[in-house]
Formats: sequence, C-alpha cells, structure tokens
Amino acid sequence: AQSVTQLGSHVSVSEGALVLLRCNYSSSVPPYLFWYVQYPNQGLQLLLKYTTGATLVKGINGFEAEFKKSETSFHLTKPSAHMSDAAEYFCAVSDRDDKIIFGKGTRLHILP
Amino acid sequence: GAVVSQHPSWVICKSGTSVKIECRSLDFQATTMFWYRQFPKQSLMLMATSNEGSKATYEQGVEKDKFLINHASLTLSTLTVTSAHPEDSSFYICSARVPGGGLQSYNEQFFGPGTRLTVL
Repeated sequence: AQSVTQLGSHVSVSEGALVLLRCNYSSSVPPYLFWYVQYPNQGLQLLLKYTTGATLVKGINGFEAEFKKSETSFHLTKPSAHMSDAAEYFCAVSDRDDKIIFGKGTRLHILP
Repeated sequence: GAVVSQHPSWVICKSGTSVKIECRSLDFQATTMFWYRQFPKQSLMLMATSNEGSKATYEQGVEKDKFLINHASLTLSTLTVTSAHPEDSSFYICSARVPGGGLQSYNEQFFGPGTRLTVL
C-alpha cells in the first residue's frame, strides 16, 4: 500500500527566506509523486510532478522538488518565499491505477 | 491545461434531504473521474472512482448506497448524497483524468474547485 508522510502540519518562514516542505513516501512500485497547493475554499492546483526521468522537477511559481529514491523523499523547495505562497500544500503519491494518495498537508505561513 | 468544473460551489440543506453535485470536464473527455472529500483542516480522502458507463468503485468504508455516483457521459459525473446528515458536511472535490498515454505514462488528473456541503 502506498502512503505519504508530510513532516510538520505548520511551517512558518519569513518573506524572502527559503521554503522547505518535507515529504516522504512509501510505495511498492516506482511512484508518481506530486505537490499540490490549495488556497482557502478552493480546489487543488498542481505545482509539479515527478513521473520518470530527471529527478529534479521544476514547477510553477518558482517551486521545485527532488525525487530521492534512496531516501524515499520528495521535498518541496522555493529559494525565496513570497506572501502569496501562504497556503496549504499537499504531497501525493500515485501508482499506475491512478489513485492518488494525499499526505495530511502542511500549512505554510509567511511572516512579513 | 484541462478545466474541470463543479456545481454548485456550495450548498446548504436540511438533514434528511438529498443533494446532487455535478463534476464536468469542460474541454476534454474523461473516461474516469474521482471523488474526494475533505474535512476541515484535513487531507483529501478518495471516496470512489467513477468510470463512464459502468458502476463506480468505492473505497473501503464509503457507503455506496449513501453516496450515489453516476458517470453517464464522458464529460459529466454526479455525486448524490442521499439522506444527508450533519456528519456529511464536508468539502467534496472531484477530479477528471485526461485519457491517452499508455502503460508507461501517467494520465494526469485535473481537479475541480470543490463543493462545500453544509447539512443543518
């Protein structure tokens, strides 16, 4: 069975500082990995995904994530936080039957 | 990117009534749609997988007689919450899978904006 663990339900960073949101996964098959962002009372927006190929994946809004198989991790980073980055972030894993399993989410707070 | 809509965006109903939520893929045909529910400050939990022209596949613990899913066309899936109760109050989100690809590729899912259901 697949699972996702997001470390830290809340993360606070200062505006302009590095954003690091941690995600570890468990999967019995080579996984597809995702990061989604959710703003209040809205649906999900895909930030980036890893399916195959290059392990460093670049997404929208300056975010990127690196797939590290040896560490079973897919941490999300952004060099410089912006106030508009404040939102809920979900890491997710999928296998080839396309079911997406979501982590519990991390709320990112940006401090002025 | 592909667009998925949901209607209504929010609904308030009385306990015991039924509520229907629509999920539409606006610019592509989706053979498969997924329904999720999200409780406040929690993650999304997959409820069921809806395949066009066939019965939905429900996740363990989801009552299929309470949450009726119909996927009558390639662009529309509906979720009906029957005899709704306050504990059914939640944020319901659908996604639609873009067809194509193959065994070695990933068919991306696109998410709707969600429907907030409040049962009084």
